[in-house]
Amino acid sequence: NAGVTQTPKFQVLKTGQSMTLQCAQDMNHNSMYWYRQDPGMGLRLIYYSASEGTTDKGEVPNGYNVSRLNKREFSLRLESAAPSQTSVYFCASRPMNTEAFFGQGTRLTVV
Amino acid sequence: GQQVMQIPQYQHVQEGEDFTTYCNSSTTLSNIQWYKQRPGGHPVFLIQLVKSGEVKKQKRLTFQFGEAKKNSSLHITATQTTDVGTYFCAGNNNDMRFGAGTRLTVKP
Repeated sequence: NAGVTQTPKFQVLKTGQSMTLQCAQDMNHNSMYWYRQDPGMGLRLIYYSASEGTTDKGEVPNGYNVSRLNKREFSLRLESAAPSQTSVYFCASRPMNTEAFFGQGTRLTVV
Repeated sequence: GQQVMQIPQYQHVQEGEDFTTYCNSSTTLSNIQWYKQRPGGHPVFLIQLVKSGEVKKQKRLTFQFGEAKKNSSLHITATQTTDVGTYFCAGNNNDMRFGAGTRLTVKP
């Protein structure tokens, strides 16, 4: 099993460009999450999907949109990238209220 | 959603010394999870605590959940260089919010 797969692993964007970060899990998990990690800030929740068909805002949703395409896939979209969105993005999935599994992360730089 | 505060932010110890990180929530948690992230890596699950007052051990690591289910701690006895990394707690409600983490460095 691949677990949680994030693509791309690295990306450089220019200010104002858009892009979608992809996340897929093959563990049949109900819940999926997107976090961003900045130095000294820990993991901050952007959006989550408790189950297929639902999405909810987390702590820092501004500037992002998400789509729970199906049970496997949960994508994060930046419509107009800003330098403040330079970060490492992690996707995670889990069954109901148990251990979460994380992807390897996407390192995004906005110039 | 709940706010999870974690202290200290950084801890530097000599190998063989003990280490403790603390996690406090503004609301009662259904349960709490602990994760470890090695430098350059992704968070990896360590343990989940569910019951009020629960204590669990994993070799040199001891995890506690407070009686009111609002605080938790992770204690490492006799640290080793392999313990280096950032330790996070996560309030285990649907929106799984993490504390800011405690970054542990160990001097050989």
